[in-house]
Parts: sequence; C-alpha cells; structure tokens
Amino acid sequence: DSGVTQTPKHLITATGQRVTLRCSPRSGDLSVYWYQQSLDQGLQFLIQYYNGEERAKGNILERFSAQQFPDLHSELNLSSLELGDSALYFCASSPRLAAETQYFGPGTRLLVL
Amino acid sequence: EDQVTQSPEALRLQEGESSSLNCSYTVSGLRGLFWYRQDPGKGPEFLFTLYSAGEEKEKERLKATLTKKESFLHITAPKPEDSATYLCAVYDYGGATNKLIFGTGTLLAVQP
Repeated sequence: DSGVTQTPKHLITATGQRVTLRCSPRSGDLSVYWYQQSLDQGLQFLIQYYNGEERAKGNILERFSAQQFPDLHSELNLSSLELGDSALYFCASSPRLAAETQYFGPGTRLLVL
Repeated sequence: EDQVTQSPEALRLQEGESSSLNCSYTVSGLRGLFWYRQDPGKGPEFLFTLYSAGEEKEKERLKATLTKKESFLHITAPKPEDSATYLCAVYDYGGATNKLIFGTGTLLAVQP
C-alpha cells in the first residue's frame, strides 16, 4: 500500500458525459501527479500540482482539467468524454517539487461507452 | 526528443533462470532513473531510484544498475511471484516541463 488513495475504482459512463476522479496523496506529500495509461500509449504524464498550484503539464487534452485543494487532495475532471478516453487513470504523489520518487495510487478504471 | 526504450518487450523465464531487463534513455538532463513493478490493473509499485552512473541498488532477487546511457534490472533466481510488468522512467529537466517519462515496460512471466 503506497498511501495514495483514489476514488472511484471503476467508472462506466457514456460519450459526451463529464466525470471527476479524486486522489488523496500520501500524508505530508505536497506534489500530486496525474497519469493516463491505455493499452496502446503506455503511461502518459498529464499534469502536476504542487501545494495547490499547477507546476507542470504534459499531454493533457483541453477537455481535461485538474485542481489541488487546500487539504492537498486533487481532482481530475474529464469532460465531453470520447470512447478513446477509456483508460486507467493514476494519481501519484511526492514530498516536494524536485525530481524525486513518485508513489502511485491504485488507479481509476474509466470505461466510456 | 527525450526517449526511454525498454527491452525486451516480453520475457518468459523458468523459475530459477536469471536474466536482465534493459532500459536505455536519451534525455537532455538526467535527474534520476526509476524502476517500478506493475501488476495487471494495479498502480505501479516503486522499486528503485538511481541518480548517478555506477550506482547499484538491490532488493531481494532484484538488482538495478545505471550507466550514462542505460540501466539494467537483473533478476536472480526468479520466482513465479516476480511475474509482472517492469517499468523504467526518467525525469527530464531539460525541457519546459519537469516530467517523468516512462518506457513501455517489459512483461515478465516466470513459469514454475
């Protein structure tokens, strides 16, 4: 158990809908990262937040957005969902902003029908 | 373009048959190389962090080494429970974002 929690574990929705994924980092960690993992793309970095502020962006679509709240939990919002958004979404956390080990949560499996 | 390449894509071993997985990388400013283990449908589980060429780290049957251009994950006398996908990742501070770049992994199957 990494100490990172994610909810829900599974999510089934329809195209065009909007969903919110939630992540609670390890106790004391200030950085939260979001990743998408699909069969054909591998693990892709989406976005990083540090102590409530966006700090790095990867291959995140404009339909996706994230935020980190004062209690340090984070939410990833996915809107106008398409079939191709079906994937595993992982959250990871680390203590600071520097290049350091990231600890991953169990993931949310999203299926868009 | 920054890249992380892992080989082989898949590896099947007999229990007790030692082998190595390879991770080669090209980044403009290496700030750490990470190995993770991932079981199907689960989140990546951290194994090792290596920061400089020549560094080695061990954990049970696994040993990770780092050179200037690649890293190896040596598996000694593997057991069926070592079956998983092993992911390699590097941080890159050379570009506009400091992000973790993952390879596509090596799927290891250890047969009893």
